[in-house]
Amino acid sequence: GQNIDQPTEMTATEGAIVQINCTYQTSGFNGLFWYQQHAGEAPTFLSYNVLDGLEEKGRFSSFLSRSKGYSYLLLKELQMKDSASYLCAVPRDSNYQLIWGAGTKLIIKP
Amino acid sequence: GAVVSQHPSWVICKSGTSVKIECRSLDFQATTMFWYRQFPKQSLMLMATSNEGSKATYEQGVEKDKFLINHASLTLSTLTVTSAHPEDSSFYICSARVPADHSNQPQHFGDGTRLSIL
Repeated sequence: GQNIDQPTEMTATEGAIVQINCTYQTSGFNGLFWYQQHAGEAPTFLSYNVLDGLEEKGRFSSFLSRSKGYSYLLLKELQMKDSASYLCAVPRDSNYQLIWGAGTKLIIKP
Repeated sequence: GAVVSQHPSWVICKSGTSVKIECRSLDFQATTMFWYRQFPKQSLMLMATSNEGSKATYEQGVEKDKFLINHASLTLSTLTVTSAHPEDSSFYICSARVPADHSNQPQHFGDGTRLSIL
């Protein structure tokens, strides 16, 4: 079957670094997406990884290891506005449907 | 680029009313759009995949006669919740992706519609 696991909730301090992990099991692999969703709002796209390694985009970086079925989102210099849920997702099939993780709620404390 | 507009943002109506939600791709043509539902503190649940010019594909457990989807043009898909009841109250979100033969194109989301049935 196809499955995605993420921690339910994490807490971090403003200005610190946090790593949000995602493990997946899929029959095939066509990349992995990370999205951010603030409470009451729709998700917004953060990153896409299809090759192994780290992709850096400003304060946010995303890492992928295909052999381990593992990805993480790294957030640096945390700001209060980073408090949100972070969802990882993988394409399901050729119709580009996504399988979504349940999301990790990140709580930032001053 | 890749902006998706969803309307209305909020709907409050009486039980038994049918509600139509529109999803438009503003600066690109979307042959495929996706409709999700999200209950409080839960993850996104894909309801159906809307295909321009053909029938939508519904996920298991989603009633196609209850949730009518029409994708009549390359920029517009509509979801109609027929005879809505309080249990249909939820956050409905649509998304679309820029057509490409590679899976690296992300889904871009509308702002969502919060539906409350009294």
